[in-house]
Order: sequence, then C-alpha cells, then structure tokens
Amino acid sequence: DAGVIQSPRHEVTEMGQEVTLRCKPISGHDYLFWYRQTMMRGLELLIYFNNNVPIDDSGMPEDRFSAKMPNASFSTLKIQPSEPRDSAVYFCASSRRRANSPLHFGNGTRLTVT
Amino acid sequence: KNEVEQSPQNLTAQEGEFITINCSYSVGISALHWLQQHPGGGIVSLFMLSSGKKKHGRLIATINIQEKHSSLHITASHPRDSAVYICAITLMASAGGTSYGKLTFGQGTILTVHP
Repeated sequence: DAGVIQSPRHEVTEMGQEVTLRCKPISGHDYLFWYRQTMMRGLELLIYFNNNVPIDDSGMPEDRFSAKMPNASFSTLKIQPSEPRDSAVYFCASSRRRANSPLHFGNGTRLTVT
Repeated sequence: KNEVEQSPQNLTAQEGEFITINCSYSVGISALHWLQQHPGGGIVSLFMLSSGKKKHGRLIATINIQEKHSSLHITASHPRDSAVYICAITLMASAGGTSYGKLTFGQGTILTVHP
C-alpha cells in the first residue's frame, strides 16, 4: 500500500499563473477529499468526491478553484489564476465507503504564490 | 465561535508524563476524529470514534456524547510524541448521507515533550 500520493511536494509560482495539484488515492478507496491548511484558518475541506463524482464543493473558495476526478486513481485541484492568498498546504485524503473507515492523508503540497 | 474547540493550544511536558488534550464541540456529530500532524507536515488519523473509548498503544481516546466532549490521553509520553494533535468532527449525517471524511477541524494543540 503506497498510501495517498500527492505531487508536487512544493510549488512556487507567480501571481496570475495556473497551478495544478495532483493526487493519487489509495486503490479501492471510494472517497477523495481535498483540504487546505493555512496559519490563519487551519484545516478546511475544499471539496470531496464519491466514486469520482463531486459531492460537496461548498468549501471551494471561489471560481478560480476547480477540481476534477477523471478516474478512480487520479484527481486534480487547479487554481487559475493564482493569487498570493492561495499560499497554503493542500492535502489530499482518501477513505473507503465503510463506516468507521479512517482517512488516509497524502503528504501535502506546499504552494507559495509570490 | 468555532464548532470545535481544543485546549490547551500549547502543551509542554517532560518525558514520561501523562498528557491530556481536550476537545469540545457544539453540534450533533456522527463521529469525532483525532489526527496527528508531525513537524514534517504529514497527517495521520489516530482515532475515529462515535462513543465510548478506544486505545492504541499509549494513546487513549474517549468521548462523551451527552457532554459533547472528547479527550486524547498519552501515557508515558516520549519526545517522539511531539506533534500537533487535531480534533475534527463529522457533522450528523444529512438525509442524503455524508462521508465520515467531511471534517470540521479544531485549531490543533501543539505538544512538545522534552527528554
């Protein structure tokens, strides 16, 4: 079990550029979550998918953010255009459908927008 | 006011001490989670519980649903336990159902254990 894999680990970009974060969930997991962590707001849920379908995107801050899950083994979170206030650590997590199944987190992508 | 409140925000202990971190919440929940975030940034799920008590090694988590309160205990603390401990809740499932992973987080407790 390779765990949840995120890439890149670090991303530094200039304001206005497009940023794409990637996530590979654990095989067999039905749910995939994108979280964001900042010093000011802590951890927040952005969006989650069930069987590749977005279920709740109420945490996505604005239209500049979009997320896709084209298949069970891959998801992307895109920010276009990026702004300095988007600087944060973005975590992907996955879990099985069963009740009491724990969340498994990736190592996160640290995004810095200058 | 946050739906999830943790105390203390910072905790310093000597190796071997018994540690308690508290979490209070203000809404109905389906489950409560305790997470550990290491200095390197990775997050690990320690416990998910909806009633009673769970134990794993030196870690014990308890929850009192009536009082809307949970505690995380660490027995015989060790410097490697130094981390941020985060309490998170899954809100009571809506009619359409929800995933246990749709979490609302506390602000975290920074634990430092000195040798």
